[in-house]
Amino acid sequence: QSVPTQPPSASGTPGQRLTISCSGSSANIGSRVVHWYQQLPGTAPKLLIYNNNQRPSGVPDRFSGSKSGTSASLAISGLQSEDEADYYCAAWDGSLNGYDFGTGTKVTVL
Amino acid sequence: EVQLVESGGGLVQPGGSLKLSCAASGFTFSGSHMHWVRQASGKGLEWVGRIGSKADDYALAYDASVKGRFTISRDDSKNTAYLQMNTLRTEDTAVYYCTPWGGTLPPAVGYYWGQGTLVTVSS
Repeated sequence: QSVPTQPPSASGTPGQRLTISCSGSSANIGSRVVHWYQQLPGTAPKLLIYNNNQRPSGVPDRFSGSKSGTSASLAISGLQSEDEADYYCAAWDGSLNGYDFGTGTKVTVL
Repeated sequence: EVQLVESGGGLVQPGGSLKLSCAASGFTFSGSHMHWVRQASGKGLEWVGRIGSKADDYALAYDASVKGRFTISRDDSKNTAYLQMNTLRTEDTAVYYCTPWGGTLPPAVGYYWGQGTLVTVSS
């Protein structure tokens, strides 16, 4: 099983643009849509991006998603202190008939 | 308003069993798939499994780590999904969440989440 891989951590200063990568396989990201979740400390995850680049209602347009081949990226522009959280990518895995979450990235705002 | 309330968590010994419930409201439960996701303390999100709707013949899928030990079911008359966990191991210790997908809901797993219920497997 090729669990999507993310960098363990990422950091930036307020106002910066930050990008988080998510590397998967042909079984998951390569053939399925990608979703991104934000998890603030002590809370349930929140859907941030769905279907590669769509934002649910209420999610600021500072957050954007993209996908190319077996990789995807989440970009946060105009980084803010409240963006400090864990971020996970995810995609369905057609070969295993399961849902693959990425390894997660902890974002720190310096 | 969509609401998901997980319950049934607690402390159980290794090898024991526990049954979690997920009471849902605010959407057409019978038309939705129900997924279970867990998260061990300080660790990442892990998909546990899902049950399809009646239209999908209640199709089941599980992660390899729980297959054969966990069973997902649902009672559409009660708008409730269940996770029966048997032969529990210490590594099953986690907060367990339920989350719906499909039907009239937005097209993504994890659009709505409950507050989670903590399962602790320890002697």
